[in-house]
Amino acid sequence: GAVVSQHPSRVICKSGTSVKIECRSLDFQATTMFWYRQFPKKSLMLMATSNEGSKATYEQGVEKDKFLINHASLTLSTLTVTSAHPEDSSFYICSASTGAGNEQFFGPGTRLTVL
Amino acid sequence: ILNVEQSPQSLHVQEGDSTNFTCSFPSSNFYALHWYRWETAKSPEALFVMTLNGDEKKKGRISATLNTKEGYSYLYIKGSQPEDSATYLCAPEAGKSTFGDGTTLTVKP
Repeated sequence: GAVVSQHPSRVICKSGTSVKIECRSLDFQATTMFWYRQFPKKSLMLMATSNEGSKATYEQGVEKDKFLINHASLTLSTLTVTSAHPEDSSFYICSASTGAGNEQFFGPGTRLTVL
Repeated sequence: ILNVEQSPQSLHVQEGDSTNFTCSFPSSNFYALHWYRWETAKSPEALFVMTLNGDEKKKGRISATLNTKEGYSYLYIKGSQPEDSATYLCAPEAGKSTFGDGTTLTVKP
């Protein structure tokens, strides 16, 4: 099956710093990549949808200047949490898809802790 | 944002029991419904994608049905095994996918 990697798997940073998370589709070209955040005891909350070569589409309530998304190629998307605060601590997970109606292939997620 | 409800929230069954759970979603603007299995410490794994009203999909002991007119899907597991223990997520797609909170299944040996 299709494999999506995510790096790093775990990161601890100080408040005010920026953290970059990478999402790669290893064996297929992903037309679309999605970034999700999981709050405790809740399901996956879609943050943004990114298509290769174009600006990401952010969900309501997600600050685009806070969560910078770059989808520079068909196999790589990055999420940068800028000026991180403790409330940004969460589990972030990406997925990749070859198009609408197709299944999403998920990465293993990144646990971010902001001190 | 779609209002997606999954029930029950959690379920404990004995090995060998058959079980089922529900995903409810708005029937308007429906495009597809996805079911995923999310085991602890692993990535969510796609189980089924269904698009047509009345669709039924099966993979081994797991099957799913879809009713787009009334806005629900059932996931069935026949003869549950401990390795079926996971959180099962549904995600109706209407322009984008919205995930339900999942049903967490625990199968006791």
